[in-house]
Amino acid sequence: LAKTTQPISMDSYEGQEVNITCSHNNIATNDYITWYQQFPSQGPRFIIQGYKTKVTNEVASLFIPADRKSSTLSLPRVSLSDTAVYYCLVGREGGYNKLIFGAGTRLAVHP
Amino acid sequence: EAGVTQFPSHSVIEKGQTVTLRCDPISGHDNLYWYRRVMGKEIKFLLHFVKESKQDESGMPNNRFLAERTGGTYSTLKVQPAELEDSGVYFCASSQGRTSGTDTQYFGPGTRLTVL
Repeated sequence: LAKTTQPISMDSYEGQEVNITCSHNNIATNDYITWYQQFPSQGPRFIIQGYKTKVTNEVASLFIPADRKSSTLSLPRVSLSDTAVYYCLVGREGGYNKLIFGAGTRLAVHP
Repeated sequence: EAGVTQFPSHSVIEKGQTVTLRCDPISGHDNLYWYRRVMGKEIKFLLHFVKESKQDESGMPNNRFLAERTGGTYSTLKVQPAELEDSGVYFCASSQGRTSGTDTQYFGPGTRLTVL
């Protein structure tokens, strides 16, 4: 399974756009990129998943360049409630994946 | 629709005692996973059920841990006897099982286990 690297922490302010980049140099052809969010005292929560180019949902956007060796999670206009740990994971198509969590990125949003 | 639920939310036991954690997956989800985070470490996979069968138990730390999923519904994870290093948060997740894309896992809130 592809190893991922992402910043340990980031700081932002309310109303700003936040971009968290994840490196996955050894991503395989049939791997998908998934981002999870975790608040204190809660389990991880699925945010978004993509294979290539751009994916957008009501929460975030995911940008994946053509070589797929990195991806960027974009959170538009963050609020205090977006303070959480964000995990980038890579898993293969076909389901039945055990998720390999790294340390994640601890995002702190300030007033 | 109810999400993944776990019971208890907290458990404090003494070393050598037995503890049983329970997970109720989302209705209709055949896949059930157990993960845990011990203090200061990353979330680690423990095992995976497909219905009542253990598909992958490569993450189970030792034979003091026993997971079951009788009938393919809820699952239990028993630790017997508990050791200090078993302290941490135990998460359960479930998923439907898909063949396109990866299978999204939905996590419960976790059970915080403290072994004294």
